[in-house]
Amino acid sequence: KQEVTQIPAALSVPEGENLVLNCSFTDSAIYNLQWFRQDPGKGLTSLLLIQSSQREQTSGRLNASLDKSSGRSTLYIAASQPGDSATYLCASIQQGGSEKLVFGKGTKLTVNP
Amino acid sequence: EAGVTQFPSHSVIEKGQTVTLRCDPISGHDNLYWYRRVMGKEIKFLLHFVKESKQDESGMPNNRFLAERTGGTYSTLKVQPAELEDSGVYFCASSSYRRGRLGYTFGSGTRLTVV
Repeated sequence: KQEVTQIPAALSVPEGENLVLNCSFTDSAIYNLQWFRQDPGKGLTSLLLIQSSQREQTSGRLNASLDKSSGRSTLYIAASQPGDSATYLCASIQQGGSEKLVFGKGTKLTVNP
Repeated sequence: EAGVTQFPSHSVIEKGQTVTLRCDPISGHDNLYWYRRVMGKEIKFLLHFVKESKQDESGMPNNRFLAERTGGTYSTLKVQPAELEDSGVYFCASSSYRRGRLGYTFGSGTRLTVV
């Protein structure tokens, strides 16, 4: 059974800082791994999706990496801005045909002006 | 393009009552998913529809939960009778491709409080 863990649970940084959010998973037989952002009272917004055959994906100031052998993914945010403040969630879909996203509990990021 | 719409956004009901949550996916999205986040826990999968058919309902907690998707369009999730532990945020998501290959669109969720 896949378990996804995100550390830290909360993170507060000053504006402009580069930061890394961590996600670990217990079962490396993943189909893909996704990073989402959730703003208070809002739904989840898909940020980056990494297929199992890929090592990383980039979108603007965001870069997500995937290392299946170590069971880890990281989300790198460059030059953080107050607008980046949100909860960031990682989730995996396992191989074998399942459609279930298995989520971590998320990291609540606060970027202070 | 309209997003995934969920109604109501909030619901407070008494234990033992019935509540029905509704989700309108993006038009043309065959895949519709329900997820739930109980306070302090991670978001968990409930079930997956492909058009009007239940593809996977392994995450449904018990038989007090009933999901339907009429004509492959909107979906409802009924909880009857509601219990205190059913409180949480219920999310709906849709996608046009299987396994989220091109990503999911999530609704804003319905916050259910059972008192």
